[in-house]
Amino acid sequence: DTAVSQTPKYLVTQMGNDKSIKCEQNLGHDTMYWYKQDSKKFLKIMFSYNNKELIINETVPNRFSPKSPDKAHLNLHINSLELGDSAVYFCASSQSRTSGANVLTFGAGSRLTVL
Amino acid sequence: AQTVTQSQPEMSVQEAETVTLSCTYDTSENNYYLFWYKQPPSRQMILVIRQEAYKQQNATENRFSVNFQKAAKSFSLKISDSQLGDTAMYFCACGPYGGATNKLIFGTGTLLAVQP
Repeated sequence: DTAVSQTPKYLVTQMGNDKSIKCEQNLGHDTMYWYKQDSKKFLKIMFSYNNKELIINETVPNRFSPKSPDKAHLNLHINSLELGDSAVYFCASSQSRTSGANVLTFGAGSRLTVL
Repeated sequence: AQTVTQSQPEMSVQEAETVTLSCTYDTSENNYYLFWYKQPPSRQMILVIRQEAYKQQNATENRFSVNFQKAAKSFSLKISDSQLGDTAMYFCACGPYGGATNKLIFGTGTLLAVQP
């Protein structure tokens, strides 16, 4: 069973469209994340949810709206897609701890191409 | 704010040889973790090794080991007996010790090619 699964793996769409990427984890973790990897392979955190509560919100345009219906799911909806949104989006999860390492487990990534 | 710097965009090594990937970081945290992640062509991000900053002993995982120099804020990855399957992008990362607000900061990556 895949620990962190994202769908779809590939998404090609036109500028101006709205699209969603879904993520589910079966590890029992309480924290989930969205990271963006640009064309130069740079990975940057976008959002983080802990037990369905938004705890990290980097300077991401309002067109990006994450939603966490429960702690096992974290979806990313993007409105009015722009060319610059083309990237690979990674979902990840971890178990928050008062001490010790929050080790992230990543999904396989969703490659979004905006034409 | 945390920053992670990987100064080697690309490296190449012969199969069975040893290679070292460099990483320097900066953080205001008193305690933190350092990680190396591997991203092969399949795109999957895979944890290679991690190091707790308050532990002086360098972490090892089979053929992978680190050289952690806390004062110099340096965290290099050594791969021994390189294998073709080690060909991947390697990312160094720094994260906080504990807490729910884990914001893992990644370096720009080093593309390692293992040559037969």
